[in-house]
Amino acid sequence: AQSVAQPEDQVNVAEGNPLTVKCTYSVSGNPYLFWYVQYPNRGLQFLLKYITGDNLVKGSYGFEAEFNKSQTSFHLKKPSALVSDSALYFCAVRDSTGRRALTFGSGTRLQVQP
Amino acid sequence: DARVTQTPRHKVTEMGQEVTMRCQPILGHNTVFWYRQTMMQGLELLAYFRNRAPLDDSGMPKDRFSAEMPDATLATLKIQPSEPRDSAVYFCASGLPDRSNTIYFGEGSWLTVV
Repeated sequence: AQSVAQPEDQVNVAEGNPLTVKCTYSVSGNPYLFWYVQYPNRGLQFLLKYITGDNLVKGSYGFEAEFNKSQTSFHLKKPSALVSDSALYFCAVRDSTGRRALTFGSGTRLQVQP
Repeated sequence: DARVTQTPRHKVTEMGQEVTMRCQPILGHNTVFWYRQTMMQGLELLAYFRNRAPLDDSGMPKDRFSAEMPDATLATLKIQPSEPRDSAVYFCASGLPDRSNTIYFGEGSWLTVV
């Protein structure tokens, strides 16, 4: 079985401040980890992924995520938030040995205040 | 600009009616997924296909839902008969069968059953 937990329904941050959106996972074997963003009335857009290698992954729009195997976490970060980053963020996981479909977390709404 | 195309974008129908949603995956992608998004359940995997063959449809209510890929450029999700609890956004996604398995989402079909 594979699962993802996003413990925060909403994260509020002021524009210009750093942001973190948390994600922890559970899989058998090695994880493949993903972040997607969803803007209102739109589909999910791929941000970044971790497959193997460097634990710090850089993605679109200045976002990055850090893979921590011991803590089974894959938190999304950005050094300086923009109002336009306000959206719904989904963490997703699949294991490298079993089924190939992604399992998504419940989503975290990021609200960046001007 | 390659993208997953879904039709219809919006559908309002009466309970008991048949609903068919269509998806054109990105050209060359041979893995296709159907996800359903609701406020209560978040993103749920309904079914996925590889090379047009269903690999997993365990998340799909079999009594009223069916999913097919008549050819490599078309995936369909049918609900018959529809019920109010089927009101949701239905997303199609496609990808390549490589290890990274990044999948790309369409804009969704927004279904309301009254």
